[in-house]
Amino acid sequence: GDSVTQMEGPVTLSEEAFLTINCTYTATGYPSLFWYVQYPGEGLQLLLKATKADDKGSNKGFEATYRKETTSFHLEKGSVQVSDSAVYFCALAGGTSYGKLTFGQGTILTVHP
Amino acid sequence: DTEVTQTPKHLVMGMTNKKSLKCEQHMGHRAMYWYKQKAKKPPELMFVYSYEKLSINESVPSRFSPECPNSSLLNLHLHALQPEDSALYLCASSQDSSSGDTDTQYFGPGTRLTVL
Repeated sequence: GDSVTQMEGPVTLSEEAFLTINCTYTATGYPSLFWYVQYPGEGLQLLLKATKADDKGSNKGFEATYRKETTSFHLEKGSVQVSDSAVYFCALAGGTSYGKLTFGQGTILTVHP
Repeated sequence: DTEVTQTPKHLVMGMTNKKSLKCEQHMGHRAMYWYKQKAKKPPELMFVYSYEKLSINESVPSRFSPECPNSSLLNLHLHALQPEDSALYLCASSQDSSSGDTDTQYFGPGTRLTVL
């Protein structure tokens, strides 16, 4: 079946540091890939997505590129802010699980001033 | 507009109570979802409705009863819950879940449920 593996957290950074959160997946076919962010006490917000190989999703300074050869969708941001502190979930849709999102375990990010 | 709304925001109930959670979207989406999320864990899928019909039930206990009165509304009726059912309940919607296309799910803010 489909699966998503995220780097284990928590991740703690200083403001303006570079962020990478690794995400790899296993799926058949051509899934779409997503990053969702969950701020404390809130629901999930779609951060960015990519629907085919070599697509780059971007939003709010975050980027991720769909790499089919390495089955990866790593999240990056050049300069994090305190307000980026949240839980980040990598997810895929499609593959063998029609109508379902398969989530990674989530990565807790804390950014200090 | 990509808004999914959920009410109430918080709910505290006893194990003998009956309550309902409500979810609404006006994006014309035809698939709607209920998820349960425990702290610091990813959401777990409970139910999927596609074109107002239940298409997926992830072996959820019968004390959770979903209902989709129309294409914009999704309810989750709760009865005789257990303390371990305390969690954040999230609703989501997408354009379609039955075609095999990969669709983006948009989530609501959730209902924080506490069962005493």
